[in-house]
Amino acid sequence: EAAVTQSPRSKVAVTGGKVTLSCHQTNNHDYMYWYRQDTGHGLRLIHYSYVADSTEKGDIPDGYKASRPSQENFSLILELASLSQTAVYFCASSPGTVNTLYFGAGTRLSVL
Amino acid sequence: GQGVEQPAKLMSVEGTFARVNCTYSTSGFNGLSWYQQREGQAPVFLSYVVLDGLKDSGHFSTFLSRSNGYSYLLLTELQIKDSASYLCAVRDYMGYKLTFGTGTSLLVDP
Repeated sequence: EAAVTQSPRSKVAVTGGKVTLSCHQTNNHDYMYWYRQDTGHGLRLIHYSYVADSTEKGDIPDGYKASRPSQENFSLILELASLSQTAVYFCASSPGTVNTLYFGAGTRLSVL
Repeated sequence: GQGVEQPAKLMSVEGTFARVNCTYSTSGFNGLSWYQQREGQAPVFLSYVVLDGLKDSGHFSTFLSRSNGYSYLLLTELQIKDSASYLCAVRDYMGYKLTFGTGTSLLVDP
């Protein structure tokens, strides 16, 4: 069964609305990540976390917040969704050193 | 900072081979990974290399040259199902995160 589960799998949001993407992992990994994927840009890191109750900014954090309430759960929050945030979002987990990322199935977000 | 470059597309023929190239620039190199991503699916880990040379994993082999900032993924005995995107990712010096290239879309023709 899937060890990294994302919800929802797809979402349509309105500009200016709040969006929360959720991620749950059963790998017992310390590290969790949020990436977005766009055509022509590949995967870009938004936020990551290496311990519960702590998050770190990635390469493109503007317009996003993250929350890690427990080792298993990591959320990505768009307080004021914008058109430019239309993308596919992937959550991933990894053990102590990031040799291997284990990805969730992705969330396709469309902001209209 | 880190930059990772890959050609956008690559075509090859079933039964032959394909070499997916990756060049990178980094202020601190700490390993390079390859992932396969099929259309509409999540990336899946293929290989990790940190030392120079060729790492043979059967259907997939990976080469690394740290002095040249260059790696390639070699797929042999290609099958149609190998058609996918192949992502190169460089691990940062602290080891906390990966920086991905834009991926190479491989099309294997019959």
